[in-house]
Amino acid sequence: EAGVAQSPRYKIIEKRQSVAFWCNPISGHATLYWYQQILGQGPKLLIQFQNNGVVDDSQLPKDRFSAERLKGVDSTLKIQPAKLEDSAVYLCASSTGIVGTQYFGPGTRLLVL
Amino acid sequence: GQQLNQSPQSMFIQEGEDVSMNCTSSSIFNTWLWYKQDPGEGPVLLIALYKAGELTSNGRLTAQFGITRKDSFLNISASIPSDVGIYFCAGRSDSGGGADGLTFGKGTHLIIQP
Repeated sequence: EAGVAQSPRYKIIEKRQSVAFWCNPISGHATLYWYQQILGQGPKLLIQFQNNGVVDDSQLPKDRFSAERLKGVDSTLKIQPAKLEDSAVYLCASSTGIVGTQYFGPGTRLLVL
Repeated sequence: GQQLNQSPQSMFIQEGEDVSMNCTSSSIFNTWLWYKQDPGEGPVLLIALYKAGELTSNGRLTAQFGITRKDSFLNISASIPSDVGIYFCAGRSDSGGGADGLTFGKGTHLIIQP
């Protein structure tokens, strides 16, 4: 079974530019999560989708971050405009909905200069 | 928001030694999980705990869900070189509406000296 796919794996941009990340969850997984992991920290939840609806976006900085999952499968996370403090690894995870069984992708490493 | 205090921050041990790390929280969690993260990869689930007092093993790994529901520990017996990595505890609480995002600790960096 294929795991969670993410692209790109690495991205370097200048502050105030825009960037987008893509995630393809495990086939059949209805729930999708985006986490932000700053160097030396644990992942922090940004947003949770159930199919194509948002379940929790309470920790998403909505002034610059947006995410969508239009057809209930793939998802994109966008930052516009980026700030230096957005430098982090952005992890996508998916689950069948059973508590705790979240499977993580390899992440996208973002560096904002 | 909820915070998890994970300790120790790092451990330098000899191959074959046992390892113990723990996590405490200021609030109650309904589920405790332990993940391992290797460089350049996402976290991988090691053990999930669903009931207060539960003790669960996965090979050389043993984890327990504290009775107060505010803490958990992970033990690794007879460490081997492939155990090197960062171990994260994570908690989940029922916030309603189907939201089940995880709250993670800051991680324990395990380094094994041959």
